[in-house]
Amino acid sequence: GAVVSQHPSWVICKSGTSVKIECRSLDFQATTMFWYRQFPKQSLMLMATSNEGSKATYEQGVEKDKFLINHASLTLSTLTVTSAHPEDSSFYICSARPGTKGTEAFFGQGTRLTVV
Amino acid sequence: ELKVEQNPLFLSMQEEKNYTIYCNYSTTSDRLYWYRQDPGKSLESLFVLLSNGAVKQEGRLMASLDTKARLSTLHITAAVHDLSATYFCAETGTASKLTFGTGTRLQVTL
Repeated sequence: GAVVSQHPSWVICKSGTSVKIECRSLDFQATTMFWYRQFPKQSLMLMATSNEGSKATYEQGVEKDKFLINHASLTLSTLTVTSAHPEDSSFYICSARPGTKGTEAFFGQGTRLTVV
Repeated sequence: ELKVEQNPLFLSMQEEKNYTIYCNYSTTSDRLYWYRQDPGKSLESLFVLLSNGAVKQEGRLMASLDTKARLSTLHITAAVHDLSATYFCAETGTASKLTFGTGTRLQVTL
């Protein structure tokens, strides 16, 4: 199956700093990538959808200036958490979809972010 | 707004017994997915159900889809400890983005 690599798998950062998470599709070109956040014992909540070469579409309630998403190529999307606070601590998961609507998306390994 | 609800939220299963998880969704769906998540890990794809009446089976797990009832079920046959995990259903609706269910945490006890 298609492989999506997410890096880092875990990161600890200080309050007020920024942290970047990368999501790469290793063996396919990803037209669309998705970013999710998951708090402990809860479901996955979609944060934003990014299409290569265009601005990301953020879900309601997600601060676009705080969670910067860049989808500069067909194999890489990045999520930057700016001015991180402890409440941003969460499990962040990306997924990438090879084609247009209707094709299955594949998930990265997830990134555990802890802000201290 | 698309809603996806699962029940139960938690299921304590005895080994070798059968159980069913239910997934109800609120709008017309293109496709329905089932995933497994182990603690601290990402999602593992289990099934993709594409049409009304679709049934797929893998090992002790069998998933089915009834689009008229807007219901999918995940049936577990003769539970074993290895199946302990959290299971999510998800569907795409008309916007082609996944909406996840609340999740069902399965725990198999001896």
